[in-house]
Amino acid sequence: EDQVTQSPEALRLQEGESSSLNCSYTVSGLRGLFWYRQDPGKGPEFLFTLYSAGEEKEKERLKATLTKKESFLHITAPKPEDSATYLCAVQEDSGNTPLVFGKGTRLSVIA
Amino acid sequence: DADVTQTPRNRITKTGKRIMLECSQTKGHDRMYWYRQDPGLGLRLIYYSFDVKDINKGEISDGYSVSRQAQAKFSLSLESAIPNQTALYFCATSDLDSNRGELFFGEGSRLTVL
Repeated sequence: EDQVTQSPEALRLQEGESSSLNCSYTVSGLRGLFWYRQDPGKGPEFLFTLYSAGEEKEKERLKATLTKKESFLHITAPKPEDSATYLCAVQEDSGNTPLVFGKGTRLSVIA
Repeated sequence: DADVTQTPRNRITKTGKRIMLECSQTKGHDRMYWYRQDPGLGLRLIYYSFDVKDINKGEISDGYSVSRQAQAKFSLSLESAIPNQTALYFCATSDLDSNRGELFFGEGSRLTVL
């Protein structure tokens, strides 16, 4: 069973059409949940870290939230430049375990 | 210059050949990682190292080996490449003291095994 499941696999939005990406996780103790953005042919780039349920982080049109079982990446009024694959990863609470990544959501924003 | 540099960026090789992918970093981080990315499978961890004398297997280490030559250098080797090792490989680093657990990735090495 996957520890990190992202949905949907792909999402196509019109410019300005807000939506959310989901990341559900099953680790026993969460040290941190991470969101990354990956452009085609590039390495992932860090966006946010969330540590506890109820926490929220924002950056431009993106807002990440966390509950005890899942995280959402809300995209408000997206623009074509927001098109990318968004990756979620978790780290268990030992602190010395590497991140485990989900398979990502491929977002396309059409002008 | 990039903080995490991978060489080569692209490589085409034949089945049975030995291949080495190299990673060097200027961030001064202790921790280094090798991930593999395949369409539909996401990023999977191959090996990781928390310092020069530390090497750990990841989720998919079979068929791979690594060497941590220095704090700044971490190499991934395929002793006898096979076609299902065709993938995009990423090196990443992180700071032992960082509370954010942020990974810094290289630009990737695309390997094709014929």
